[in-house]
Amino acid sequence: EAQVTQNPRYLITVTGKKLTVTCSQNMNHEYMSWYRQDPGLGLRQIYYSMNVEVTDKGDVPEGYKVSRKEKRNFPLILESPSPNQTSLYFCASSLSPAPANYGYTFGSGTRLTVV
Amino acid sequence: GQSLEQPSEVTAVEGAIVQINCTYQTSGFYGLSWYQQHDGGAPTFLSYNALDGLEETGRFSSFLSRSDSYGYLLLQELQMKDSASYFCAVNPGNTGKLIFGQGTTLQVKP
Repeated sequence: EAQVTQNPRYLITVTGKKLTVTCSQNMNHEYMSWYRQDPGLGLRQIYYSMNVEVTDKGDVPEGYKVSRKEKRNFPLILESPSPNQTSLYFCASSLSPAPANYGYTFGSGTRLTVV
Repeated sequence: GQSLEQPSEVTAVEGAIVQINCTYQTSGFYGLSWYQQHDGGAPTFLSYNALDGLEETGRFSSFLSRSDSYGYLLLQELQMKDSASYFCAVNPGNTGKLIFGQGTTLQVKP
């Protein structure tokens, strides 16, 4: 089944403890992105990647890191999480940056709480 | 800055037609897409417009006017399962950058 898999689904952590949220897709997609979703703010892009070893900042990159060493994986790293990074996170992938007929495929989300 | 504006809430009755508008101000424009999201689940793709005009996919249609920086999603024959949040999103270029609106919560009543 074609899908984007994020792990974990839920995570509660403490301020300053490094964490990684994994994202993997099995569709051979070139483009991958991370978003955070907060009430009233919609989805805001954190980072995106156009191919292996090519990443770029979205609108809210502060406090996050990403890497794209393999085409299928695009982990999101929080080196020193803070409470303002408590949010619902989504990973997404697509064959092209502006996919006309199929859009981005989103993972099921990771609900992160930083205390 | 770059922004997309859409109404925060819309209510309609089962069987009716509803239109969700989206106006955008972005540094560039490559396409407008629409996504549906149920209760914090994964957003799912509904439609995409790169050129002016109407695109129809079953009960859902989407319209774009690039000269007005405006688009809308039209949902016909509303069903209870259409109760969800709907987001418009703009690709300002062919780069993978994607900007979302704040979302419109649609409530369908019996």
